[in-house]
Amino acid sequence: DVKVTQSSRYLVKRTGEKVFLECVQDMDHENMFWYRQDPGLGLRLIYFSYDVKMKEKGDIPEGYSVSREKKERFSLILESASTNQTSMYLCASSTREQVWEQYFGPGTRLTVT
Amino acid sequence: AQSVTQPDIHITVSEGASLELRCNYSYGATPYLFWYVQSPGQGLQLLLKYFSGDTLVQGIKGFEAEFKRSQSSFNLRKPSVHWSDAAEYFCAVGGESGGSYIPTFGRGTSLIVHP
Repeated sequence: DVKVTQSSRYLVKRTGEKVFLECVQDMDHENMFWYRQDPGLGLRLIYFSYDVKMKEKGDIPEGYSVSREKKERFSLILESASTNQTSMYLCASSTREQVWEQYFGPGTRLTVT
Repeated sequence: AQSVTQPDIHITVSEGASLELRCNYSYGATPYLFWYVQSPGQGLQLLLKYFSGDTLVQGIKGFEAEFKRSQSSFNLRKPSVHWSDAAEYFCAVGGESGGSYIPTFGRGTSLIVHP
């Protein structure tokens, strides 16, 4: 069974802290994605990566960065967390050829106080 | 630019009743269309997809969707809803956008099922 795991289900951080959200997939997928999910706004793409050490900005990259040192792992970094980054963060992966068929992790609910 | 509209934020149905969730898209060429479901506390799961061919597509869990090009719609249907279908449903459209095929998601429709 395919699997995308995220390091934490719930996370509480303080304003100004550096936050790392980790995502691991075991499907040998080339593509990985980070989305932010907010009520009434649906899913918005933050960053994606189509290969190791490669990244592309999505629709809302401001305030975020990413790292992909290994194929199976994709990290989302909040350099200095702010309260408006309180949200649900979803990681996903896909094959290179079927970028639209994405497999999602369970999400990390981040609260910044 | 591609976009997806899900006009209903919430839908309430009784268990056993039929269901239709609406989705309208905007896309300049033939779209790839998808429905995802997010059960409480879970990530999203692909229900079904349309690329081309037969405009009525079957998915998992007894769901189906019909592509209507003239109406720019891809509505999701189920003839008899079960309590376990209560979830958030997302429509998505994919296609070439700035050189990638990453889908754009709608804002979601929350399905509430009454016993």
